[in-house]
Amino acid sequence: EPEVTQTPSHQVTQMGQEVILRCVPISNHLYFYWYRQILGQKVEFLVSFYNNEISEKSEIFDDQFSVERPDGSNFTLKIRSTKLEDSAMYFCASAGTGGHQPQHFGDGTRLSIL
Amino acid sequence: DQQVKQNSPSLSVQEGRISILNCDYTNSMFDYFLWYKKYPAEGPTFLISISSIKDKNEDGRFTVFLNKSAKHLSLHIVPSQPGDSAVYFCAASRSGTYKYIFGTGTRLKVLA
Repeated sequence: EPEVTQTPSHQVTQMGQEVILRCVPISNHLYFYWYRQILGQKVEFLVSFYNNEISEKSEIFDDQFSVERPDGSNFTLKIRSTKLEDSAMYFCASAGTGGHQPQHFGDGTRLSIL
Repeated sequence: DQQVKQNSPSLSVQEGRISILNCDYTNSMFDYFLWYKKYPAEGPTFLISISSIKDKNEDGRFTVFLNKSAKHLSLHIVPSQPGDSAVYFCAASRSGTYKYIFGTGTRLKVLA
């Protein structure tokens, strides 16, 4: 069964450094998402991406965050200058079409900011 | 922002019995609801969904019920199996936006 893959599984970074989290969505999917889950808290929406542009973002997704689909397969989340509070699990998800289609999630990247 | 709530943090059920997981929401604009299962160190796995035009959707051992007037949905697992032990999240979205709002999760333990 096709799946969403994320790399790395764990990223440790010094505060203030840039980090890029990578995702390969399911190949025929058109909608892409990033969510995060801070330890012990809810899974929270960050951003949705369709047709090479951001379609929606949350208040969490400030100027320090950016997303990109640099080629036909990868979808990346960049945090420009990491803060301690960025430590969380980051999940990438993809969905096939518009309308109500279930999003399929990767196994996440655990980001630890020191 | 507690638009989606799962008030039971944990639930234990005997193998073979029914598991009932509950979820409440406050936003009447939500029109699509989903249940996900999550094992440790894995991402959420889609289980079953329901549109607001329905009140029930069934897929094998999993049934989701939606009560729009009560703003309540539930997931029934029959019969429960030890492999069902995981954290279950409900999620909701509305037309015009495809972001999901998640509940806090219920940890289900199925006892052999």
